[in-house]
Amino acid sequence: EIVMTQSPATLSVSPGERATLSCRASQSVSSNLAWYQQKPGQAPRLLIYGASTRATGTPASFSGSGSGTEFTLTISSLQSEDFAVYYCQQYLNWPLTFGQGTKVEIK
Amino acid sequence: EVQLLESGGGLGQPGGSLRLSCAASGFTFSSDAMSWVRQAPGKGLEWVSAISGSGGGTYYADSVKGRFTVSRDNSKNTLYLQMNSLRDEDTAVYYCARDQRGDIYGDFDYWGQGTLVTVSS
Repeated sequence: EIVMTQSPATLSVSPGERATLSCRASQSVSSNLAWYQQKPGQAPRLLIYGASTRATGTPASFSGSGSGTEFTLTISSLQSEDFAVYYCQQYLNWPLTFGQGTKVEIK
Repeated sequence: EVQLLESGGGLGQPGGSLRLSCAASGFTFSSDAMSWVRQAPGKGLEWVSAISGSGGGTYYADSVKGRFTVSRDNSKNTLYLQMNSLRDEDTAVYYCARDQRGDIYGDFDYWGQGTLVTVSS
């Protein structure tokens, strides 16, 4: 099983600032990596797939990068609606696995 | 508009059974692989099971293999998860989710709102 590790667990950021979230895979997943956003009481929402392709409706302020085992989700300027929990997920191998999540909170 | 609506959650006894359903609309259901993903209270996401559009291919997490069965009825646009031999650790919100590229790839563009399963005596 591929283990996905996200850091940090919690990120405190002021509105308008940049946020950088990391995700590491225990073995290479190539570019088979997705990022999801989840707000309290809501289902996850796909933001990025293929490590760097924005899903339909994802604002340009979100960007993904990386390949192999190291990945980054960057939010260029945090808006109030961006404070949420973010998960990475690999879909190279079964079982599909998620990271434990990074909570982005208001500083 | 794509919609996924889960039902069937509730209280289950340890060792008991529940069947979850996910009613789909707004897309050609038979063309798209589907998955179940769960989230224990206050915890992260855990993929549970996947099924191809035809229903001919199925995959399971080790934690549910042999206890849960995923199936679909394409004539009814409905996905199912039969949950047997329930354990306390199966307590979670269960989401159905659609594979965004049709075949089983594992990245999900639409999710239902979830149904809560509580396993307790």
